[in-house]
Amino acid sequence: ETGVTQTPRHLVMGMTNKKSLKCEQHLGHNAMYWYKQSAKKPLELMFVYNFKEQTENNSVPSRFSPECPNSSHLFLHLHTLQPEDSALYLCASTVTGSSGANVLTFGAGSRLTVL
Amino acid sequence: AQSVAQPEDQVNVAEGNPLTVKCTYSVSGNPYLFWYVQYPNRGLQFLLKYITGDNLVKGSYGFEAEFNKSQTSFHLKKPSALVSDSALYFCAVRDRADSNYQLIWGAGTKLIIKP
Repeated sequence: ETGVTQTPRHLVMGMTNKKSLKCEQHLGHNAMYWYKQSAKKPLELMFVYNFKEQTENNSVPSRFSPECPNSSHLFLHLHTLQPEDSALYLCASTVTGSSGANVLTFGAGSRLTVL
Repeated sequence: AQSVAQPEDQVNVAEGNPLTVKCTYSVSGNPYLFWYVQYPNRGLQFLLKYITGDNLVKGSYGFEAEFNKSQTSFHLKKPSALVSDSALYFCAVRDRADSNYQLIWGAGTKLIIKP
């Protein structure tokens, strides 16, 4: 266990479904991230929250909707997804500082399949 | 454009032999450099990073990496490979001049260690 917990680990959904991914950390980190991981591609940064405020939205389609109620919890709400959205979704957290050399702690990921 | 290249999709090494996983980068400023590893069905784990100082950085599980500024490379190495080193390895870079401190990721290299 890394200290970052993601649920569910596996999710299969139809294109018309609404589902949510959850991420939780109790490491005292102030920043939380959603990444999309597809095979043989670099990790794609989706959203960044710093002290519960969204600081980054990398042109993510509106069918993905993040929510960060506090510094320990992060959600990714999914609605009317497309088959190409099938991927491993990774949550990460860190303590941000002035140096920029901070290390990310990742969860195990949620494997999403869109039918 | 800023980028990270991992030129090999897959590297095959016999157990006990030295291994190298290559990474080159292109950023406009001075970089922070990172290596992360992903074991099957797990999230990414931090291995090592270069901030400043000695160009040879030592990390977890006997891995090390050498920063070469003139060649803009940060190759990951290990003197004697173990079967348990088999995993997906990601190189990442952060431009110190980037106030957003976002990581730029390589596409990953699958390392297979054969007994």
